[in-house]
Amino acid sequence: DGGITQSPKYLFRKEGQNVTLSCEQNLNHDAMYWYRQDPGQGLRLIYYSQIVNDFQKGDIAEGYSVSREKKESFPLTVTSAQKNPTAFYLCATDDPGREANYGYTFGSGTRLTVV
Amino acid sequence: GQQLNQSPQSMFIQEGEDVSMNCTSSSIFNTWLWYKQDPGEGPVLLIALYKAGELTSNGRLTAQFGITRKDSFLNISASIPSDVGIYFCAGMKTSYDKVIFGPGTSLSVIP
Repeated sequence: DGGITQSPKYLFRKEGQNVTLSCEQNLNHDAMYWYRQDPGQGLRLIYYSQIVNDFQKGDIAEGYSVSREKKESFPLTVTSAQKNPTAFYLCATDDPGREANYGYTFGSGTRLTVV
Repeated sequence: GQQLNQSPQSMFIQEGEDVSMNCTSSSIFNTWLWYKQDPGEGPVLLIALYKAGELTSNGRLTAQFGITRKDSFLNISASIPSDVGIYFCAGMKTSYDKVIFGPGTSLSVIP
């Protein structure tokens, strides 16, 4: 059963701590994305990776870091430099170049709260 | 950068009513997508449109790819409580381009 797994579903962090959100996929998709969603807001792109060992900054990359050492995994680290990290984080994957465009497949999200 | 506009921003409707929402862009897209996000979950693809003028249905949902390629519309007939959520439109130029998302329309259904 192919899909995307984001863990944990809920995460609490103390101010000044780094925290890493997990995103794993078994869809064999090349591209992976991280989005941030604030209450009542749309999706804002943090980082994306179109191939292993390569990634690009999105619109709001400051205070975040990523790695793409394996095709299946694209973890996101929220660093202490991110001033307002409380948000809902979504991971998505894509299979660029396939015959029909179906857009992105999303995980179920991780809700991060700074306490 | 490219932007999509969605209207209305939010809707409160009675159960059983029909719903219409739209999405506009200053750029041409070759694929239009409609997603629904349930509270606390990730967005799920509802309908994909590939040709200008195309009308596609998925149960009570019907979406249209605008003739100008710069807009798309989503209609929901006979709304039910489980239709509650945020509806996002999205556009793509080619399958190699990033998906551009609209800001979403929040739908609330009053039983």
